[in-house]
Amino acid sequence: KAGVTQTPRYLIKTRGQQVTLSCSPISGHRSVSWYQQTPGQGLQFLFEYFSETQRNKGNFPGRFSGRQFSNSRSEMNVSTLELGDSALYLCASSLVGTGDSPLHFGNGTRLTVT
Amino acid sequence: SQQGEEDPQALSIQEGENATMNCSYKTSINNLQWYRQNSGRGLVHLILIRSNEREKHSGRLRVTLDTSKKSSSLLITASRAADTASYFCATVGGGSYIPTFGRGTSLIVHP
Repeated sequence: KAGVTQTPRYLIKTRGQQVTLSCSPISGHRSVSWYQQTPGQGLQFLFEYFSETQRNKGNFPGRFSGRQFSNSRSEMNVSTLELGDSALYLCASSLVGTGDSPLHFGNGTRLTVT
Repeated sequence: SQQGEEDPQALSIQEGENATMNCSYKTSINNLQWYRQNSGRGLVHLILIRSNEREKHSGRLRVTLDTSKKSSSLLITASRAADTASYFCATVGGGSYIPTFGRGTSLIVHP
């Protein structure tokens, strides 16, 4: 079974631009979560999608948004980029996202904002 | 917040030695999970232990959970250079099913 695939692997953007990151979950997994990882804050939860609906949202500004498609693939978008948005963005999938089964992570998208 | 806190922040040992990492948390949990992350990569799930379990094993890994002390430990026996990575605990509970991660323990195993 193919693992979680995130594209692109690396991105360099300028302040004020917007960016879209993509995540393809493991086949059959319906829950997709996004996390931001930085050296200062560690892993912080962004949002979780299940069956095309956002079920949970972390404490991030409205510049961070996401969506999930009918095939469970997910995208996240960050508008009006700030220097502090530089981070490793990780996507994780699980069967139904009830917390009692493990998360399967992709290798992340490394975003650098200059 | 359910965030677990790992201790120590960094650990350096020789190949063949055992490595022990601890995780403490603040409120009740449904389960606690351990993950490994190699540099610049995604996290890999290691073990999930439920609140009614006290110990679980997987190969060279042993996880214990003490809910009275709100703490868990991950023991890696006979460590190898390939075990060099960051190790994170994640807690699930408190009415939320979203795993909340700690800051991690950075383990270096010297050949």
